[in-house]
Amino acid sequence: KNEVEQSPQNLTAQEGEFITINCSYSVGISALHWLQQHPGGGIVSLFMLSSGKKKHGRLIATINIQEKHSSLHITASHPRDSAVYICAVRGSNYQLIWGAGTKLIIKP
Amino acid sequence: NAGVTQTPKFQVLKTGQSMTLQCAQDMNHNSMYWYRQDPGMGLRLIYYSASEGTTDKGEVPNGYNVSRLNKREFSLRLESAAPSQTSVYFCASSEGVGNYGYTFGSGTRLTVV
Repeated sequence: KNEVEQSPQNLTAQEGEFITINCSYSVGISALHWLQQHPGGGIVSLFMLSSGKKKHGRLIATINIQEKHSSLHITASHPRDSAVYICAVRGSNYQLIWGAGTKLIIKP
Repeated sequence: NAGVTQTPKFQVLKTGQSMTLQCAQDMNHNSMYWYRQDPGMGLRLIYYSASEGTTDKGEVPNGYNVSRLNKREFSLRLESAAPSQTSVYFCASSEGVGNYGYTFGSGTRLTVV
């Protein structure tokens, strides 16, 4: 079993829909990262959080440390949000443990 | 623009050839990383440098060497390329190895034939 599991693996939705991507992990962590990888391959860091909730524009990230679960929400989704969204957690050492990613396609 | 610059963007090698992937950051970050990304898998850490003058193995270091040339530059060398090293390679940097955000380079797509 992978230490970081993302669901769903693939998600297709219509423009304007509310999107939720989930990340569950099985190790103790000090922080969790959400990143976005564009179709062209570039990776952008979206959030780093260790508790509660963070918001940036239409993106919201939440984490529940007790349940070892985080969600990334996108409100009023747009075709330009189409990308792979990656969850990664920092455990007890310096290294990040990466999820395999969720491929999101938003149709106009 | 400030950020992480990787070169080259694409490379095709024959089995047994060697090459060096270059990475430079201009954000005065202390820590730098090399990852590989294979289809259907998460990023895997090859090597990292917590600070200038130090390097450490990550999850998949075999077949690779690194050099932290100075605070800005962190290179990855393949001494004798193998088809299993066909992958997309990303360099990243962060302020430190603690809970800091990462900045990634645009990636190098390497094919070994």
